[in-house]
Amino acid sequence: DAGVTQSPTHLIKTRGQQVTLRCSPKSGHDTVSWYQQALGQGPQFIFQYYEEEERQRGNFPDRFSGHQFPNYSSELNVNALLLGDSALYLCASSFPLQEQDTQYFGPGTRLTVL
Amino acid sequence: DAKTTQPTSMDCAEGRAANLPCNHSTISGNEYVYWYRQIHSQGPQYIIHGLKNNETNEMASLIITEDRKSSTLILPHATLRDTAVYYCIVRVMEYGNKLVFGAGTILRVKS
Repeated sequence: DAGVTQSPTHLIKTRGQQVTLRCSPKSGHDTVSWYQQALGQGPQFIFQYYEEEERQRGNFPDRFSGHQFPNYSSELNVNALLLGDSALYLCASSFPLQEQDTQYFGPGTRLTVL
Repeated sequence: DAKTTQPTSMDCAEGRAANLPCNHSTISGNEYVYWYRQIHSQGPQYIIHGLKNNETNEMASLIITEDRKSSTLILPHATLRDTAVYYCIVRVMEYGNKLVFGAGTILRVKS
C-alpha cells in the first residue's frame, strides 16, 4: 500500500518564476492538504482540496493556487516566486470516514528560490 | 483549535522510556490530541491520537489526564532513530479540519 508521494524531491527556481509541485495521496484517500514549512518552523497550512475543489485556505496570497484531479492527486502552483517562498512543501492526504480524518504526510518537496 | 505548550527540547538515554509532555489547558470537549514527529528534513510522521481515553499502538502510548488539560506521549524504549521534533496538536474533529503545528519538542536520544 503506497503512502503519500510527492514530486519532485528538490527544485531550484529563480525569483519571478513559476513552479508546480505534485502529490499523489495514499491509496483510498480523497482529500489532499498542502503545507509550507520554512526552515526551523512548524508546517503552516496552505489549503485543502476535496472533490476537485478548494475547501479550506490558510493565510497565503493568491500566488499560491492548486488543483485536484479526478484520481485525487493534486498540484500546488506558486507564481511570481519570492525568496521567502523557499521552504519544504508538504502534502498530506486523508479520508474523512477513516481514523477520524487523520492526515498522512508525504516526504515533501524542497524548493529553493534564488 | 486550542493552543498547546511543549518543552523546547528533551534528552533521553537510549533504551529508556521517553516521556514527552504537552499542555492544552483550553482544550474543548470535541478536540482530539494528535502527535506527529518529524525526523530531519522528512515529512511529519503520524504517531497516535486520542480523545479522552489512553491509547496505545505499535509506536507509542498516549496518556491523557482526566481533565484533558494535558497529555504525555510515551516511547517505551527509545532508540537513536527516535531523535526528532515531536509535535502535539489539538484538533477539532470537523470534517477536513487543518492541522495547526507549534514549535514542537526536540527529542535527542543519546547512547
